[in-house]
Amino acid sequence: NAGVTQTPKFQVLKTGQSMTLQCAQDMNHEYMSWYRQDPGMGLRLIHYSVGAGITDQGEVPNGYNVSRSTTEDFPLRLLSAAPSQTSVYFCASSRQGANNRGEQFFGPGTRLTVL
Amino acid sequence: KNEVEQSPQNLTAQEGEFITINCSYSVGISALHWLQQHPGGGIVSLFMLSSGKKKHGRLIATINIQEKHSSLHITASHPRDSAVYICAVGGTSGSRLTFGEGTQLTVNP
Repeated sequence: NAGVTQTPKFQVLKTGQSMTLQCAQDMNHEYMSWYRQDPGMGLRLIHYSVGAGITDQGEVPNGYNVSRSTTEDFPLRLLSAAPSQTSVYFCASSRQGANNRGEQFFGPGTRLTVL
Repeated sequence: KNEVEQSPQNLTAQEGEFITINCSYSVGISALHWLQQHPGGGIVSLFMLSSGKKKHGRLIATINIQEKHSSLHITASHPRDSAVYICAVGGTSGSRLTFGEGTQLTVNP
């Protein structure tokens, strides 16, 4: 099993550009989520999904869109990149999302810089 | 006040020392997670607790639900334990985790 994979590992964007961060898992996990990690702050939830076709907003959803057309894939779209979106992005999955009792599996992260 | 508070923020130890990292939370929870983030950035799950104590190798995690407090202990610390240790809690409803800011641990040889 590859676990949770993310692409790209690094990305530099100019303000206003759009892009999609890819996330895939091969563990048949129902729950997937996107976090951003900024210096001096804990991981913050952007969007999450409890299954194919179901997504919901997290703590910091503005400027991001997600979709979940398959169990395996959960892409994160930046609609119009802003310098405030410079961060490290992590995708995670777990077997059980409800009540968060499932072991969390994280992707390797994407380091995004917006100029 | 953050819902999840970790202490200390930074910890430096000598190889072989016993280490304790603390996590306090302010909400009712269904589960608490301890995660490890290596210098390369990858995050791995160490423990998921809803009560009592768990042990894996040199790592021990405990939780006191009444006091809303958890501790992560590392026995016989080693330089390879150097990492950021993150506490996260899952609430009693919904599917979200709330994360602490992490504890940077450095173990010197």
